Amino acid sequence: QVQLQESGPGLVKPSGTLSLTCTVSGGSISSSNWWTWVRQSPGKGLEWIGEIYHSGSTNYNPSLKSRLTISVDKSKNHFSLRLNSVTAADTAVYYCAKTARFLDFYMDVWGEGTTVTVSS
Amino acid sequence: DIQMTQSPSSLSASVGDRVTITCRASQSIDYYLNWYQQKPGKAPKLLIYDASSLHGGVPSRFSGSGSGTDFTLTITSLQPEDFATYYCHQSYTNPRTFGPGTKVDIK
Repeated sequence: QVQLQESGPGLVKPSGTLSLTCTVSGGSISSSNWWTWVRQSPGKGLEWIGEIYHSGSTNYNPSLKSRLTISVDKSKNHFSLRLNSVTAADTAVYYCAKTARFLDFYMDVWGEGTTVTVSS
Repeated sequence: DIQMTQSPSSLSASVGDRVTITCRASQSIDYYLNWYQQKPGKAPKLLIYDASSLHGGVPSRFSGSGSGTDFTLTITSLQPEDFATYYCHQSYTNPRTFGPGTKVDIK
């Protein structure tokens, strides 16, 4: 049973870089799945950030693309998110998820989420 | 981007009630529609994928239907553990957008 765990700093300064890692256990990151980041601002709904395949192919939300990098490290069985030039609007709970596909793409395994606050 | 809307935004219901939540896409998304349940302080959980397929381990009182632009999530007999917020999510195209959520609480 695949499990995911997010890790990274809980506090980032404005204009700084938000960096998170999602460690995959119970399965290989090289399996036929996409690996996804989703965030949820306080009291708000869910926002899809982007995803990566083990080959390195990525899909990004255009609203974040200029600031966003998602990468994969197959040797460590984890994938990462970097978001540059952060502002208070990037304060959110960040989730990583496994995206599987039968006909459509769906996130069937989620990490527990990690709270990131952007503040000086 | 494809815009997803949900109705109602919230509802109050009693245990045993039949509950229906509607999700509408701003353009056709075929069957590329998923439903998630989220409880406070917890990650979302997948309920339905491909518009109508029940994810493993999800009780059969949950069902999904629809295609194109209009979709429905139905809970046939609401249980205490079903009080939560429900989100639809389209995976037809990037960015993969979510609906704003429907909060189901206790009447």
